[in-house]
Amino acid sequence: SQQGEEDPQALSIQEGENATMNCSYKTSINNLQWYRQNSGRGLVHLILIRSNEREKHSGRLRVTLDTSKKSSSLLITASRAADTASYFCATGFYNTDKLIFGTGTRLQVFP
Amino acid sequence: DAGVIQSPRHEVTEMGQEVTLRCKPISGHNSLFWYRQTMMRGLELLIYFNNNVPIDDSGMPEDRFSAKMPNASFSTLKIQPSEPRDSAVYFCASSYTGGGTEAFFGQGTRLTVV
Repeated sequence: SQQGEEDPQALSIQEGENATMNCSYKTSINNLQWYRQNSGRGLVHLILIRSNEREKHSGRLRVTLDTSKKSSSLLITASRAADTASYFCATGFYNTDKLIFGTGTRLQVFP
Repeated sequence: DAGVIQSPRHEVTEMGQEVTLRCKPISGHNSLFWYRQTMMRGLELLIYFNNNVPIDDSGMPEDRFSAKMPNASFSTLKIQPSEPRDSAVYFCASSYTGGGTEAFFGQGTRLTVV
């Protein structure tokens, strides 16, 4: 079964706007990761945040983690048409390499 | 490194036939995962190996599915007999055990069972 639920399921924005995606999960985690998937391709890792971290940045990406609410958000600033893809959160656990993926958010950025 | 390599990229087979999907992980990685992606069920973890040993196969849907990892550089996922509901994209991913590290995905095998 899936650990994470993401919302919104789909998001459409204009280039230059910010995109925010949310992920909620059910059990205690060691880390939370975000991945991107272009249509018909494999998933590509974007960023990892550990359970003892609250915020992390990488380029135009900002990730927050609230373990008390079991939720995370991914913010993409100044979006570009090339950011059009599906974005997935994945939860990692202690003492295992297993990653469980959420349901994903389909992001469409219009030029 | 060429990344995680999966073959074939596309497979069309008739119901009842045996299907074998192949994966070559990134050299040096010691964890390997098989995922299945469908519109209805999203991305499901089927099985994962660590140091060539199956650690968790609780996601394998039924006995028709089996996976092996005979050595650190090769894994197979076999479906016998295949059914139309097995149609999906199957991904292999690998990572290096380090207490929370990123997984690298292959390009996937799109399986269609008719």
